[in-house]
Amino acid sequence: EPEVTQTPSHQVTQMGQEVILRCVPISNHLYFYWYRQILGQKVEFLVSFYNNEISEKSEIFDDQFSVERPDGSNFTLKIRSTKLEDSAMYFCASRVQGTYGYTFGSGTRLTVV
Amino acid sequence: GENVEQHPSTLSVQEGDSAVIKCTYSDSASNYFPWYKQELGKRPQLIIDIRSNVGEKKDQRIAVTLNKTAKHFSLHITETQPEDSAVYFCAASANFGNEKLTFGTGTRLTIIP
Repeated sequence: EPEVTQTPSHQVTQMGQEVILRCVPISNHLYFYWYRQILGQKVEFLVSFYNNEISEKSEIFDDQFSVERPDGSNFTLKIRSTKLEDSAMYFCASRVQGTYGYTFGSGTRLTVV
Repeated sequence: GENVEQHPSTLSVQEGDSAVIKCTYSDSASNYFPWYKQELGKRPQLIIDIRSNVGEKKDQRIAVTLNKTAKHFSLHITETQPEDSAVYFCAASANFGNEKLTFGTGTRLTIIP
């Protein structure tokens, strides 16, 4: 079964540093998403991306966040200057047009110290 | 925006008994309701979903019911097994899943052998 692949699985970074989280969606999927889950809490929407542009973003997705699809296969989430409260599990997800179910990646656990 | 409430937050049932988890949503535009199972440290996995044009859907031991008028939907697991132990999240989306998912707060289900 095709999978959404995320790297790294765990990243520790110092407060104020930039991080880039990487995702390789399933090849025929056209809709891409980032969600995050603070430890013990619910999964929260960050941003959706379609046709090489952001289609929707949440209030969490402020100027410190950006997304890119640099080479037609990878989908990245950049946090410019990390804060302690950015510590969370970040999930990438993708979806085929015309279907309902998302496929989530295995997540990147980001720890900001 | 959409708000999804989920109850209970924890649920313990004897192996073989049934478990029921309930969710309510606020946005009448929501018309797609998936349920995800998340094991510790792993990605959310879709276990069943329902669209607003049906009231009930069943897949082996798992069923979901939807009451559009009351804006609530429920997950039913029958003949529970130890491997059903996990955190379960409900979610809601408009436009039949083409919009972002709004998740509930999760239910930690423990099956007692």
